[in-house]
Amino acid sequence: GESVGLHLPTLSVQEGDNSIINCAYSNSASDYFIWYKQESGKGPQFIIDIRSNMDKRQGQRVTVLLNKTVKHLSLQIAATQPGDSAVYFCAENVGRNQAGTALIFGKGTTLSVSS
Amino acid sequence: EAGVAQSPRYKIIEKRQSVAFWCNPISGHATLYWYQQILGQGPKLLIQFQNNGVVDDSQLPKDRFSAERLKGVDSTLKIQPAKLEDSAVYLCASSLVFRNSPLHFGNGTRLTVT
Repeated sequence: GESVGLHLPTLSVQEGDNSIINCAYSNSASDYFIWYKQESGKGPQFIIDIRSNMDKRQGQRVTVLLNKTVKHLSLQIAATQPGDSAVYFCAENVGRNQAGTALIFGKGTTLSVSS
Repeated sequence: EAGVAQSPRYKIIEKRQSVAFWCNPISGHATLYWYQQILGQGPKLLIQFQNNGVVDDSQLPKDRFSAERLKGVDSTLKIQPAKLEDSAVYLCASSLVFRNSPLHFGNGTRLTVT
């Protein structure tokens, strides 16, 4: 079935380190991917997105890499800060509808940053 | 820019009771979504609206869940009757109408069914 999975449920890093969160997706027809950050008691917060015609996109302190050959997505966070501690989800649009963006989410990776 | 507003923030009900959640999307966002997030899992899409029409409700348990967006702005999601397994956070999101526009989420309603 259609699903988005993550390689590790938890990731612990030291403040200042670079973090890499990985995601494997299953549907080769997916053409759009998003990373979200979710803090306790809040809704998912948009971090960065990438379309399938790209393999890399950079934002402020974050980079998303897309490898369509192996259906793998990663989020790199530079100089990780305690405020980056949260659950991170990748999500994909499998393209069933032409309007909007019906995202399918994975289970999430909990990032813990210690100072 | 004001974000997606949801209410109530929390709701506790007994099984077989009914409950309703309200959502006001970001101004100008024609597409609205309801997601269910069970503890420890990623959000799961229940229904997608474009303006006041349903685009996708294939994952909505229609025997007990219903949703409407009568005037193409605010939306309500109802559960009747509730079951224990409906305990979850119900998230509303909105986006521009264009394909592959990012979703912006509200902070959700946490439902506990006892």
